[in-house]
Amino acid sequence: GQQVQQSPASLVLQEGENAELQCNFSSTATQLQWFYQRPGGSLVSLLYNPSGTKHTGRLTSTTVTKERRSSLHISSSQITDSGTYFCAMERDTGYQNFYFGKGTSLTVIP
Amino acid sequence: ETAVFQTPNYHVTQVGNEVSFNCKQTLGHDTMYWYKQDSKKLLKIMFSYNNKQLIVNETVPRRFSPQSSDKAHLNLRIKSVEPEDSAVYLCASSPGTGVYEQYFGPGTRLTVL
Repeated sequence: GQQVQQSPASLVLQEGENAELQCNFSSTATQLQWFYQRPGGSLVSLLYNPSGTKHTGRLTSTTVTKERRSSLHISSSQITDSGTYFCAMERDTGYQNFYFGKGTSLTVIP
Repeated sequence: ETAVFQTPNYHVTQVGNEVSFNCKQTLGHDTMYWYKQDSKKLLKIMFSYNNKQLIVNETVPRRFSPQSSDKAHLNLRIKSVEPEDSAVYLCASSPGTGVYEQYFGPGTRLTVL
């Protein structure tokens, strides 16, 4: 079954609104990373956050390891934030077990 | 700043041909990976390589094989391409010493006619 589940699948916001993206995983994660991908572009690492809360710019990620979930909060969304956001987790310590969610497609409109 | 380099950017070929994609990282990382991203943007790990140890995702067909000359390079060879191999192939690296934060290359888009 799907190891990593992301919600919502898609999200449309008006510029300036906040976004909350969710990631749930089926087993304990030892590594957790959020990525961004522009259409046709490569994956860009946003936050590496296996536990706790981390901030960078307008992004905040909170990972609760025991509850097997992580969230990505985008404040004051901008049109250039549009794209797909992926959550990826690794369970145990084996690097062969890196799993990606299906992504959340974010569209920010004027 | 790009630190994981992939060539070519695009490749179009016919069924049955052999292709090879290159990946180089300048981060000094110990571990490198190949991922496949399909048309629905689903990402699946294919291989990881660390200190001469290769880990293969068991769902990867045998026509795929990684090739490494040193820890900074991990190439991907496909012996006889099939239509379902059309996808974007992404190379990544990570420090690999208990921290697996991954850095991705720009990808190689393969189209099999």
